[in-house]
Amino acid sequence: SQTIHQWPATLVQPVGSPLSLECTVEGTSNPNLYWYRQAAGRGLQLLFYSVGIGQISSEVPQNLSASRPQDRQFILSSKKLLLSDSGFYLCAWSVQLAGGPDTQYFGPGTRLTVL
Amino acid sequence: AQSVTQPDIHITVSEGASLELRCNYSYGATPYLFWYVQSPGQGLQLLLKYFSGDTLVQGIKGFEAEFKRSQSSFNLRKPSVHWSDAAEYFCAVGYGNQFYFGTGTSLTVIP
Repeated sequence: SQTIHQWPATLVQPVGSPLSLECTVEGTSNPNLYWYRQAAGRGLQLLFYSVGIGQISSEVPQNLSASRPQDRQFILSSKKLLLSDSGFYLCAWSVQLAGGPDTQYFGPGTRLTVL
Repeated sequence: AQSVTQPDIHITVSEGASLELRCNYSYGATPYLFWYVQSPGQGLQLLLKYFSGDTLVQGIKGFEAEFKRSQSSFNLRKPSVHWSDAAEYFCAVGYGNQFYFGTGTSLTVIP
């Protein structure tokens, strides 16, 4: 069965420090991968998605970047964190089922606090 | 443009009472529809999905949802709510590899 991992689970970083969040998927190949941010009490904001290695689409201009160095690995990065980068970061994967739509599955999330 | 609306930001129900969470979508083609649940500090868990066939779909944890094309709705229901159902619920529309989420409905269950 497929599983998705995110780490770290929680992170507290000072303003101006770099960031690296990692997401890996097991049990599937060539998944679509997504990074979302969820601010406190708010819905999901799509940050990046990827349909293959090295293919990244950015949805929102911001202080963040994403990379996909391997088929089942998706990394969210920043060179200098801002206070506004605080939030709950969710990684998700999807695969298109025969005769049906993609279905999206989420990781456990990373709680980032920037101080 | 595609959009998903969850008109109720917060709902409070008594344990054992029935529940209905509303979801409306704006989409030009046959929609693929999903409901997810999120417990505090956790990721989103898929409750159910609809993409064709019977318009009443059954999901996990005793939830069901009904697709009504004429009303552009995909409301989530449960006949008897349990205290463990307290969570945030998200409706979503999928098109290929693109997904559009509502802003969520927070459910409180009182004893």
